[in-house]
Amino acid sequence: RKEVEQDPGPFNVPEGATVAFNCTYSNSASQSFFWYRQDCRKEPKLLMSVYSSGNEDGRFTAQLNRASQYISLLIRDSKLSDSATYLCVVTPPTGFQKLVFGTGTRLLVSP
Amino acid sequence: NAGVTQTPKFQVLKTGQSMTLQCAQDMNHNSMYWYRQDPGMGLRLIYYSASEGTTDKGEVPNGYNVSRLNKREFSLRLESAAPSQTSVYFCASSGKPNYGYTFGSGTRLTVV
Repeated sequence: RKEVEQDPGPFNVPEGATVAFNCTYSNSASQSFFWYRQDCRKEPKLLMSVYSSGNEDGRFTAQLNRASQYISLLIRDSKLSDSATYLCVVTPPTGFQKLVFGTGTRLLVSP
Repeated sequence: NAGVTQTPKFQVLKTGQSMTLQCAQDMNHNSMYWYRQDPGMGLRLIYYSASEGTTDKGEVPNGYNVSRLNKREFSLRLESAAPSQTSVYFCASSGKPNYGYTFGSGTRLTVV
């Protein structure tokens, strides 16, 4: 079983739609959680951290469910510029931070 | 601009050739990493350096070596390139535990 699993998509949504991605992780003792965004042929960039209490940044909301071992990302009022691949990332419970990346979920927002 | 700088951006090698990918960061980060990204495989950790003077293997270290030259620089060497090493290579750095990484813009390597 992969450490981090994501639906590869693509998710095709119209502008203004709300879209949600889920990601599951296998190690229940994982420490930290993130969502990264990666544009085509570019490097990944940190979108937001995911806290146990959940967190929101503008149109983006991230949630963590430790009991079910999944992380979610909700995007409201989708923009064309949100089209990208969204990577779910966790840090395993070792003494040193090494990020483990999911393979990503591709989002396509159309006019 | 502050960040992580990788060179070269593109490279084509013949099987058996060697090369070094360079990475430098100016954020005074302690930790640095090398990942490769392949279609359908996601980002996989090759080597990492928790701090200056230390290096450790990641998930896919075979065929690679690294050097943490100083706090700023972390290089990745392919001693004898193979077609299976065709990939996009990303260097990253981090300054605080559980804080996430800053990535360089990547090196697109093709081995023919």
